[in-house]
Parts: sequence; C-alpha cells; structure tokens
Amino acid sequence: DSGVTQTPKHLITATGQRVTLRCSPRSGDLSVYWYQQSLDQGLQFLIQYYNGEERAKGNILERFSAQQFPDLHSELNLSSLELGDSALYFCASSLNLGGPYNEQFFGPGTRLTVL
Amino acid sequence: KNQVEQSPQSLIILEGKNCTLQCNYTVSPFSNLRWYKQDTGRGPVSLTIMTFSENTKSNGRYTATLDADTKQSSLHITASQLSDSASYICVVSARSGGSYIPTFGRGTSLIVHP
Repeated sequence: DSGVTQTPKHLITATGQRVTLRCSPRSGDLSVYWYQQSLDQGLQFLIQYYNGEERAKGNILERFSAQQFPDLHSELNLSSLELGDSALYFCASSLNLGGPYNEQFFGPGTRLTVL
Repeated sequence: KNQVEQSPQSLIILEGKNCTLQCNYTVSPFSNLRWYKQDTGRGPVSLTIMTFSENTKSNGRYTATLDADTKQSSLHITASQLSDSASYICVVSARSGGSYIPTFGRGTSLIVHP
C-alpha cells in the first residue's frame, strides 16, 4: 500500500458526460501528479500540482482540468467524454516539487470506461 | 520530441534465469531515469533511479545501468522469481524550469514461468 488513495475504483459512464476523479496524497506529501494509462498509449503524464498550485503540464486535453485543494487532495475533472478517454487514471504524490530523488508513490488507479 | 523506447516488448523466461531489459531515450535536458515495476491493474512501483553522474544502481536482484553518452539504460534481473512477472517501465525526466516532465516508455512485459 503506497498510502495514496483514489476514488472511485471503477467508473462507467456514457459519451458526452462529465466525471470527477479524486486523489488523496500520502500524509505530508505536497505534490500530486495525474497520469493516464491506455492500452495504445501507455502511461502519459497529465499534470502536476504542488501545494495548491499548478506546476507542470503534460499531454492534458483542454476537456480535462484538475485542482488541488487546501487539504492537498486533488480532483481530476474529465468532461465531454469520448470513447478514447477510457483508460486507467493514476494519481501519484511526492514530498517535494521535483528533483531526481523526489520519489513518486502511485495510487491504485481509477478505471474509467466510456460507453 | 522527447521519446523513450523499450525492448523487448515482451519476454518469457524460466524461473531462476536472468534477463536484461533495454531502454533507449532521446530526452532533453536530461534529469534522471527511473525504472518502475507495474503489476497488472496496479500502480507502478519505483525500482531504481539514476542521475546523469550515476551509471549503476542496484535494488536487491534488480540492477540498472545508465550510459548517458549513448542514452541507453538497462535493467538486469537476477535469479528471476514468479513474482517478477510484471510490466517494467523506463521513465526519463527532463528538467523544465523548476519542474520535471517525465516521458514514459511503453514497458516490457515479463512473464516468469515455473
């Protein structure tokens, strides 16, 4: 158990809908990262927040947004869902902003299925 | 465009045998390289991390090497066990201002047979 929690574990929805994925980082960690893992693309970095502020952006679509709250939990909002958004979404947390030895701990993931 | 290529895509070995997984990258500016193990349906777990100045790092039966000149890394698994069956992912991070942007390889799927 990494100490990172994600809810829900599974989510099934229809195209065009909007969903929210939630992540609680390990106690004491200030950074939260979101990743998408699909069968055809592998793992892709979406976005990083550090102590409530957005700090790095990867391949995140405009239909997707995230935020980190004062209690450091984070939410990833996915809107106007398409079939291709079906994937595993992972959240990870780390103690610091970055750096080579700033180890990230991954949560168990949320499996999103868009029908 | 930053890229990380891993080979082989999949590998089947017998329990107790050794194996080596490869990772080639074109990521700039290079900050660090990590190897992760990911069991099916679970989040990745870090095995090793190396910076530019390090060329070998071990974690139990896992040994990673890094050649920053040729931009290649390998992960050697010694005396494989059934529990080593998983996907092994190479991740190379680039420094971008005050942040670090990771690029992931597609992974090598390892199956260890008894």
